Amino acid sequence: EDQVTQSPEALRLQEGESSSLNCSYTVSGLRGLFWYRQDPGKGPEFLFTLYSAGEEKEKERLKATLTKKESFLHITAPKPEDSATYLCAVPRFTPGYSSASKIIFGSGTRLSIRP
Amino acid sequence: EPEVTQTPSHQVTQMGQEVILRCVPISNHLYFYWYRQILGQKVEFLVSFYNNEISEKSEIFDDQFSVERPDGSNFTLKIRSTKLEDSAMYFCASRAPGTGDGYTFGSGTRLTVV
Repeated sequence: EDQVTQSPEALRLQEGESSSLNCSYTVSGLRGLFWYRQDPGKGPEFLFTLYSAGEEKEKERLKATLTKKESFLHITAPKPEDSATYLCAVPRFTPGYSSASKIIFGSGTRLSIRP
Repeated sequence: EPEVTQTPSHQVTQMGQEVILRCVPISNHLYFYWYRQILGQKVEFLVSFYNNEISEKSEIFDDQFSVERPDGSNFTLKIRSTKLEDSAMYFCASRAPGTGDGYTFGSGTRLTVV
């Protein structure tokens, strides 16, 4: 069964203290991996899609990387406004459909940045 | 930037009552989804919808649940007889064809069953 596991569950950093979040997956034939940000009481907000091992994408203080077994979300010099839950997700394809019929989320990493 | 709109933002209902959660997906999107998130838990898939029919549904999506696209813009989730355990945030999402990006989620409806 496809699984997405994120670690750590929670991470508290001082403003400016860089770190990385991990997403490991067991998916047969990975066809993309998503990173989302979720603020309390809000829906997931799309950040990145990665398709192949070695790929990297950046947005402001965030950089996502992908290997054959896991993905990392690196946060460089974070600010308090980066506090949120970061979700990793993979698409799941139903036989007979060329497009993904759903995405499966991990449990997320709750990131808190102290000023 | 285009967005997925959900109404109401918060709904309180009595156990056993029917509720309809409403969503307006992004206009050129063709794939529609409902997800839910019980407080403190994962975002869970409920159902996907394409070409006016259900593509896939989870074990959670039993006979008490139904989805409909009654016109060209709305996408609804109906829960026929609500239970206490249906209390959760319900998120609608939509996606354009031919892209791996852009599962765009709405802000959600917080459903509280009392």
